[in-house]
Amino acid sequence: AQSVTQLGSHVSVSEGALVLLRCNYSSSVPPYLFWYVQYPNQGLQLLLKYTSAATLVKGINGFEAEFKKSETSFHLTKPSAHMSDAAEYFCAVSLGFQKLVFGTGTRLLVSP
Amino acid sequence: GAGVSQSPSNKVTEKGKDVELRCDPISGHTALYWYRQSLGQGLEFLIYFQGNSAPDKSGLPSDRFSAERTGGSVSTLTIQRTQQEDSAVYLCASSPIEGAADTQYFGPGTRLTVL
Repeated sequence: AQSVTQLGSHVSVSEGALVLLRCNYSSSVPPYLFWYVQYPNQGLQLLLKYTSAATLVKGINGFEAEFKKSETSFHLTKPSAHMSDAAEYFCAVSLGFQKLVFGTGTRLLVSP
Repeated sequence: GAGVSQSPSNKVTEKGKDVELRCDPISGHTALYWYRQSLGQGLEFLIYFQGNSAPDKSGLPSDRFSAERTGGSVSTLTIQRTQQEDSAVYLCASSPIEGAADTQYFGPGTRLTVL
């Protein structure tokens, strides 16, 4: 069955530092992959998605992710963290079925 | 334009009572999804609607859970005889068409607490 694994339930960075949130997927067919962000007491907002058009995907708020088939990874990065990036981030996979399978989430903490 | 809206935002109920949660999708979106977010289980898929029909009910945890969608728009998730393990945030999402690559737009959720 298709699934995603997010390494690290919490990631702490300093403001201005590189953000790296890890996501690995398992799939026997090319997947569609998504990163969503959830701010406190809000719903999920799409950051970016991979749909096989390009392996490097740019999203909102300066985030980007690279699809690496050989590593079955879709890690999320941002060169310089802002305090406003503090939130929970979810990686998800969709494989032709009309539902998303989510990872367990990574909470990003940003310190001044 | 208006996003996905859900009501109520918070619901506290007593064990054994029935509850109804409402979702108003983005106008024109044909696909509608319900998910549940809880501490122990993370984000789980519950049910998916294509128009008014539900081709995939595989995620409903028990027969106490049911959902309907009318007029290809509003959806209601009903939980009968609520149990404490039903406490969670229930999220609704909609998308323009039913495709695996389509973006799902999420509402703010309904936080359900069963005492």
